[in-house]
Amino acid sequence: DTAVSQTPKYLVTQMGNDKSIKCEQNLGHDTMYWYKQDSKKFLKIMFSYNNKELIINETVPNRFSPKSPDKAHLNLHINSLELGDSAVYFCASSPRSGEQYFGPGTRLTVT
Amino acid sequence: GDSVTQMEGPVTLSEEAFLTINCTYTATGYPSLFWYVQYPGEGLQLLLKATKADDKGSNKGFEATYRKETTSFHLEKGSVQVSDSAVYFCALSDQNTGFQKLVFGTGTRLLVSP
Repeated sequence: DTAVSQTPKYLVTQMGNDKSIKCEQNLGHDTMYWYKQDSKKFLKIMFSYNNKELIINETVPNRFSPKSPDKAHLNLHINSLELGDSAVYFCASSPRSGEQYFGPGTRLTVT
Repeated sequence: GDSVTQMEGPVTLSEEAFLTINCTYTATGYPSLFWYVQYPGEGLQLLLKATKADDKGSNKGFEATYRKETTSFHLEKGSVQVSDSAVYFCALSDQNTGFQKLVFGTGTRLLVSP
């Protein structure tokens, strides 16, 4: 059973398009996260949600909008995609204040 | 703000060699410290953690000790295998953010040859 799953695994799209990445966790955790890993492997948090409530927003452009329909899901919608958005996006979940479990990642390529 | 500094890679070793990957941190509170591993094409997996000074985290032959006096959390393994080839990330989370934000180092790639 996959603990934290993401779809799609790969996403290739053109500049200006709007796309979504979905994340689901079956661990019963309260907190979910989105991280971005750039081409140099540097990882940085984008958002965290605790029980469907936004807790952390790390100065991410407004084009990125997370949505949490329930505490098992945290989706990431990106408007007007730019070349610089190309990266690997990781979803993660944790119990409150606990260790984080990561999904397999979604590689986004904007052409 | 909080930060983590890791040694530059890649680290290239022969099988059965001793591994050390250095990690130092800066934090305003009392952080928890982690090592994550990322195998090629995969997500991150928690390797080990330590939540207070002098704690030693260990897993799969890897060890790291939380040293508050030197603000370090160096990763060690006595005898590496080819299957240990991966990127290793040191990270911290801080009570100031409710331990809800991981701050990562830049990652260190380990290459182990037979």
